[in-house]
Amino acid sequence: DTEVTQTPKHLVMGMTNKKSLKCEQHMGHRAMYWYKQKAKKPPELMFVYSYEKLSINESVPSRFSPECPNSSLLNLHLHALQPEDSALYLCASSQDLLLWGGAKNIQYFGAGTRLSVL
Amino acid sequence: AQTVTQSQPEMSVQEAETVTLSCTYDTSESDYYLFWYKQPPSRQMILVIRQEAYKQQNATENRFSVNFQKAAKSFSLKISDSQLGDAAMYFCAYSSGNNDMRFGAGTRLTVKP
Repeated sequence: DTEVTQTPKHLVMGMTNKKSLKCEQHMGHRAMYWYKQKAKKPPELMFVYSYEKLSINESVPSRFSPECPNSSLLNLHLHALQPEDSALYLCASSQDLLLWGGAKNIQYFGAGTRLSVL
Repeated sequence: AQTVTQSQPEMSVQEAETVTLSCTYDTSESDYYLFWYKQPPSRQMILVIRQEAYKQQNATENRFSVNFQKAAKSFSLKISDSQLGDAAMYFCAYSSGNNDMRFGAGTRLTVKP
């Protein structure tokens, strides 16, 4: 099973709303990622969690707040977003970061959440 | 900083023919990993093939193969016997192994019946 599940598939929110995106995997992966993808552009890395600890924050605005409650679950809390934050948000996971080896660098992606900020 | 360049925004291939997508990258690392991901209209990024830089042998996965030229920092993807289901956006990606996955701008592949 190489499935990463993201919910919801679509989300429309106002600039004053608070919402959360959810990502779940049951592959035993210990690294999880959030990416932002604008139309016709490549994914851009936002956050990386390793063993439930935030290891990379690519200078993302504080209106995006990630959370990793356990090794299978990753959330992205959204608050006071701007219309330019409208995008596809992708979650990914990969095996143990602390070990070296090709297979452990493969990231498996979810289908994404299409976010529209009005 | 590592950069990944895909110089072909769009490519087209006839069904059952062969097509090659280009990718170059820039890095000062000696050990790293390269990937090709496919993103169909369904949006999900799907791993097509990967290559470890320390391996000289080019990776192959069924109809997909790569031409990895480490000295030239080139990593092209060859799709043989193209099928309609191969139509998608293809992203070349680089990782040093520290979760710094960087993607190229992508190449949109159209397969003509």
